[in-house]
Amino acid sequence: AQSVTQLDSQVPVFEEAPVELRCNYSSSVSVYLFWYVQYPNQGLQLLLKYLSGSTLVKGINGFEAEFNKSQTSFHLRKPSVHISDTAEYFCAVSATGFQKLVFGTGTRLLVSP
Amino acid sequence: NAGVTQTPKFRVLKTGQSMTLLCAQDMNHEYMYWYRQDPGMGLRLIHYSVGEGTTAKGEVPDGYNVSRLKKQNFLLGLESAAPSQTSVYFCASSYDTGELFFGEGSRLTVL
Repeated sequence: AQSVTQLDSQVPVFEEAPVELRCNYSSSVSVYLFWYVQYPNQGLQLLLKYLSGSTLVKGINGFEAEFNKSQTSFHLRKPSVHISDTAEYFCAVSATGFQKLVFGTGTRLLVSP
Repeated sequence: NAGVTQTPKFRVLKTGQSMTLLCAQDMNHEYMYWYRQDPGMGLRLIHYSVGEGTTAKGEVPDGYNVSRLKKQNFLLGLESAAPSQTSVYFCASSYDTGELFFGEGSRLTVL
């Protein structure tokens, strides 16, 4: 079975500063990895995904993530955040070839002026 | 461009009452899911379906039932609601890459 750990429940940051949201996963098989974002009172939407190939994945809104197999990590980064990036971010993992996603507990990103 | 639509969006129940949440998707996806979201616990899978007429248990299935009689619809039922089922429920659908498309959620309060 797969599991996901998001170590930070909340990350405060100032506008235009860089940010990294951490995600570690556990799996005995090959995995797909995802980051989703949830804005207040909305459903989740996909930010980016790693299925195979290049370990650096670029997503929407200037976010990117790097798959590190040796460290079983998939950290999300943005070089300069905006107020509008304030949201909750979820890392998720699934075994390759199977559709059941396991989500982390989420990291709330708080961007202040 | 409806995507995934959930009804109702809000509901208040008394303990012991029953209700059904409806999820409809217009993307012809095979896979559909019901998750619940609780503070500090992320999203937990209740039940899912890999195609019309199929259902399977997820991580937290107790107290819920589901049906997928039509490919585009996935129903979540609570036969006898309990306060522990107060939550925000999300329906999602997907095709074969694991990317989920979510509805906007249904907020359920059980008194």
